[in-house]
Amino acid sequence: SQQGEEDPQALSIQEGENATMNCSYKTSINNLQWYRQNSGRGLVHLILIRSNEREKHSGRLRVTLDTSKKSSSLLITASRAADTASYFCATEGAAGNKLTFGGGTRVLVKP
Amino acid sequence: KAGVTQTPRYLIKTRGQQVTLSCSPISGHRSVSWYQQTPGQGLQFLFEYFSETQRNKGNFPGRFSGRQFSNSRSEMNVSTLELGDSALYLCASSLVDEQFFGPGTRLTVL
Repeated sequence: SQQGEEDPQALSIQEGENATMNCSYKTSINNLQWYRQNSGRGLVHLILIRSNEREKHSGRLRVTLDTSKKSSSLLITASRAADTASYFCATEGAAGNKLTFGGGTRVLVKP
Repeated sequence: KAGVTQTPRYLIKTRGQQVTLSCSPISGHRSVSWYQQTPGQGLQFLFEYFSETQRNKGNFPGRFSGRQFSNSRSEMNVSTLELGDSALYLCASSLVDEQFFGPGTRLTVL
């Protein structure tokens, strides 16, 4: 079963705009990881945020984590057509390397 | 440094057959995890191996099994294939906590 939900399920934006997607989860976590997947290919690791961190940046990506609300958000700034993909959040709990994934957000960036 | 590799990339089998998928982790990574991705169930954890021992297991029937070799390479096996086993099977390797995925094996069961 999936840990939680991602919102929205789909997002369509113009190139240059920002894209924000949210992830909620149900149980306590050690960390939360965001991944990108293009057209049913492998998952590309974007960023990991640990349970004691509140915000993290990597290039055009900004991730926040609110453990009190059991939620995270991923912001992609100045989006490009190449950002078109599905984005997944995944949580890792106390069991170690066992990721529980959300349902994903499909992002379409129109040129 | 080479990424995670999986072979074969595509596979077509018929119901009742068995299949073995292979995964080579990033050099130095000792943890290998397997995931199944389907349109209906999404991404689901199968199992994780560390130093040749299964450390975590998901909620899959016993037809799904795996192993890890001393060089950290891993294989997963699915016996008595069912139509519902058609999926993208993803392998991930990890040094500490970040998991890096391979390109996957697309299995089609006819």
